[in-house]
Amino acid sequence: GEDVEQSLFLSVREGDSSVINCTYTDSSSTYLYWYKQEPGAGLQLLTYIFSNMDMKQDQRLTVLLNKKDKHLSLRIADTQTGDSAIYFCAETLTRNTGGFKTIFGAGTRLFVKA
Amino acid sequence: EAGVAQSPRYKIIEKRQSVAFWCNPISGHATLYWYQQILGQGPKLLIQFQNNGVVDDSQLPKDRFSAERLKGVDSTLKIQPAKLEDSAVYLCASSWGDREEGYTFGSGTRLTVV
Repeated sequence: GEDVEQSLFLSVREGDSSVINCTYTDSSSTYLYWYKQEPGAGLQLLTYIFSNMDMKQDQRLTVLLNKKDKHLSLRIADTQTGDSAIYFCAETLTRNTGGFKTIFGAGTRLFVKA
Repeated sequence: EAGVAQSPRYKIIEKRQSVAFWCNPISGHATLYWYQQILGQGPKLLIQFQNNGVVDDSQLPKDRFSAERLKGVDSTLKIQPAKLEDSAVYLCASSWGDREEGYTFGSGTRLTVV
């Protein structure tokens, strides 16, 4: 099946770490992504991980992939007020007819308290 | 590089009226996507173009929605006639086609049907 699930809200204090979790259902996923959406804007690609990796680090961002449990997480170190946004998890699947398609979760709204 | 351009930014129409949205993707991006994002949900793919051909329109309500990308560059999405449940943000995205790079999204058109 095709489904990406995320918790809806997360609230953290400025300077703390944020961890946003995601589960996906299709074991054939090849790439998994994290996008950020600020108010009134489109989605911005933050980072991605290929399915044969279990961790990827990019500055303050750490992505962990547990393929056995179909679980993806995004850790933001030293969270800042500017990190307040909606974070979308997405997976890319192979189409039955060829090519690929990307499925998005409903998004996790991150609130950062000063 | 210029981003994905969309217009208009906002549109308010009455039910049963028609509306059209325009998208100009990043220069050279062969693949163009139209997504519908209902408030509180993740983006849902409506249609995907590869150059000027349709790759996937399985989620497009074809009785009222239509889209075209005649010269393989910019694209229009039309709704005729609109229903109340069409109220959403319509996002256009483009990509080279390589999955690693993910998609570049425009800022979207917020449609309100009253």
